[in-house]
Amino acid sequence: DVKVTQSSRYLVKRTGEKVFLECVQDMDHENMFWYRQDPGLGLRLIYFSYDVKMKEKGDIPEGYSVSREKKERFSLILESASTNQTSMYLCASNTPRDRHNQPQHFGDGTRLSIL
Amino acid sequence: GEDVEQSLFLSVREGDSSVINCTYTDSSSTYLYWYKQEPGAGLQLLTYIFSNMDMKQDQRLTVLLNKKDKHLSLRIADTQTGDSAIYFCAEINGANNLFFGTGTRLTVIP
Repeated sequence: DVKVTQSSRYLVKRTGEKVFLECVQDMDHENMFWYRQDPGLGLRLIYFSYDVKMKEKGDIPEGYSVSREKKERFSLILESASTNQTSMYLCASNTPRDRHNQPQHFGDGTRLSIL
Repeated sequence: GEDVEQSLFLSVREGDSSVINCTYTDSSSTYLYWYKQEPGAGLQLLTYIFSNMDMKQDQRLTVLLNKKDKHLSLRIADTQTGDSAIYFCAEINGANNLFFGTGTRLTVIP
C-alpha cells in the first residue's frame, strides 16, 4: 500500500513565523502535491512537483513556497504565516506512469492554526 | 479553472440508499473519481469511472455518469453509520490536472 506521511497532525504557530510542513511518500512517486482544505471550498491546489527540484504553482500559491530536494519528500513553506492560512493541509502523490488512471494517494492531513 | 459542484450536506437513515451528486464543466474529463474523507483523516480513493463508461458497480457502490449532462453520482446501498464522512468528486482533464468538488458531508442517522 502507498504510504504518504505528513509529519504533524496538528500544528499551532504565531503570525509572522516561518512554518514548514513536511510530507514523505514511500512509493517512488514522481508527482507530489500540496492542497489546502477549507469548509465549503473543497480542496485547492497550492503547489505541485513532477520531479526533484521541480515545482509548479497551483491555483493558490500566494504566501507559500515549496521544496523538493529528494524524490520522496515535498515540503510546504509558509514564509511569514498569517491567520488566513489557518487550514487543513493535505499532501498527495501519484505516478504518471499509467497516464489513464492516476488516483492521488493522500496523507492524513496537518491541521494548522495560526494565532 | 474547471468547476466541480456538489451539495454540501446529505442526511439519510441507516439502511436507506444514499445518492451523492456532482456536476462538472470540463468536457475533456478523462477519469472521474470519488474520494471519502473520514473525520480527522486524509482522502481515501473509493472508486473511479472512465469517461466513456455509463456505470460502474463495486459492492455497495454504484457510480453513474451522464456525460452529456456532465453529471456524476455515487449511490451507496444499505448505508451504514460507518459511511458517515465527507465525499469528494474529482475529475481529471485532458491536461492531467485534477479538480475537486467542495465535498458532500454525509450524515447517517441510526
